[in-house]
Amino acid sequence: NAGVMQNPRHLVRRRGQEARLRCSPMKGHSHVYWYRQLPEEGLKFMVYLQKENIIDESGMPKERFSAEFPKEGPSILRIQQVVRGDSAAYFCASSLDWAPSEQFFGPGTRLTVL
Amino acid sequence: GESVGLHLPTLSVQEGDNSIINCAYSNSASDYFIWYKQESGKGPQFIIDIRSNMDKRQGQRVTVLLNKTVKHLSLQIAATQPGDSAVYFCAENPFGSQGNLIFGKGTKLSVKP
Repeated sequence: NAGVMQNPRHLVRRRGQEARLRCSPMKGHSHVYWYRQLPEEGLKFMVYLQKENIIDESGMPKERFSAEFPKEGPSILRIQQVVRGDSAAYFCASSLDWAPSEQFFGPGTRLTVL
Repeated sequence: GESVGLHLPTLSVQEGDNSIINCAYSNSASDYFIWYKQESGKGPQFIIDIRSNMDKRQGQRVTVLLNKTVKHLSLQIAATQPGDSAVYFCAENPFGSQGNLIFGKGTKLSVKP
């Protein structure tokens, strides 16, 4: 049973470009969470999605950031017009049900904005 | 506001000794507290959790203690091994939240052979 998969593992973008981060949850999991981690910091919650629904996006910046979890396919975190401050590790977690202690994390995507 | 923080940013222990990693939290309305281990270049890995109606929980070589009076959480690792070297995060799930976790900044545990 494969764990949470994220791709790409490393992504380099120039300022103003778009970044698309993908997350495939564990098999059978329908709850996905996105977190951002700055160097030497803890993870910061961004958004919580179920299939085709955004449940909580209270941690997501209002502009340039969007997330989706379609009926088929991976969850996508999209950052438009990236800036240097977007450089961070972005982690996705998934769970079978709503269970905060049952979130399994992926290996992360490390975004570098030049 | 809500925050979770750690007392010590780094901890160095001798192999075989016990380790204690501490965490202070400010949100008394949290339902769950969780400890994660994060190795370099990897995602956080669940270690152990504890509900707010408990004060102690034990796992394999690990024990979590919750003191709600002083809003303090600790992770004890028995017979620390080199493979335990990592950054440890405490996280809380506030009651009524939609499942998001609030993480502390982390403590780096270094195990000397």
